[in-house]
Amino acid sequence: EVQLVESGGGLVQPGGSLRLSCAASGFTFSNYAMSWVRQAPGKGLEWVSAFSGSGDSTYYADSVKGRLTISRDNSKNTLYLQMNSLRAEDTAVYYCAKSYDGSGKYFDYWGQGTLVTVSS
Amino acid sequence: QVVLTQSPSASASLGASVKLTCTLSSGHSSYSIAWHQQQPEKGPRYLMKLNNDGSHRKGDGIPDRFSGSSSGAERYLTISSLQSEDEADYYCQTWGTGIHIFGGGTKLTVL
Repeated sequence: EVQLVESGGGLVQPGGSLRLSCAASGFTFSNYAMSWVRQAPGKGLEWVSAFSGSGDSTYYADSVKGRLTISRDNSKNTLYLQMNSLRAEDTAVYYCAKSYDGSGKYFDYWGQGTLVTVSS
Repeated sequence: QVVLTQSPSASASLGASVKLTCTLSSGHSSYSIAWHQQQPEKGPRYLMKLNNDGSHRKGDGIPDRFSGSSSGAERYLTISSLQSEDEADYYCQTWGTGIHIFGGGTKLTVL
């Protein structure tokens, strides 16, 4: 059974940093592209960042480029999102999502999310 | 860049059927999409991948009540025999190299 479990969310001040983790199980993690998707309170889904299954390509939404960094540790079956220079508009539930294949097609599994609140 | 357009809301009665629409922007009518369901206070759940010819691949455990179809730039999700647990937000998604795009979502109310 595929499982994605996010952790690391919390309350952080504007300009601060946070690192999110997504522990994956039930599939060969290294073979699949993975993404972070966020949802601001009362809003829709917004893709944030992706890491290819081949492990050599990362991608970012323009809204987070230069501030958020995606990484993965295939030996630990874990996806990360390092969040720096956080802004109020980064407040959201952050979901980890598995792509159908290594190249990054549609998401076929989601985690339950972790809440990040940026506020003073 | 492709844009996905969804109606903000829809409603239908318990036991009835409803058809939700996701419209691809001009020039992108051949794109495949995926449908996702998000029940209140839960994470999204993958329902199906839907191709431009109407063929679709469902996620694990998705009931037969959920089906997909296509016509031109329109991608449809039909839910039959509506149940109370179908009351949720429904999002369509498409993708390209290094990018994923979501529609704004449709909030389905089961009356």
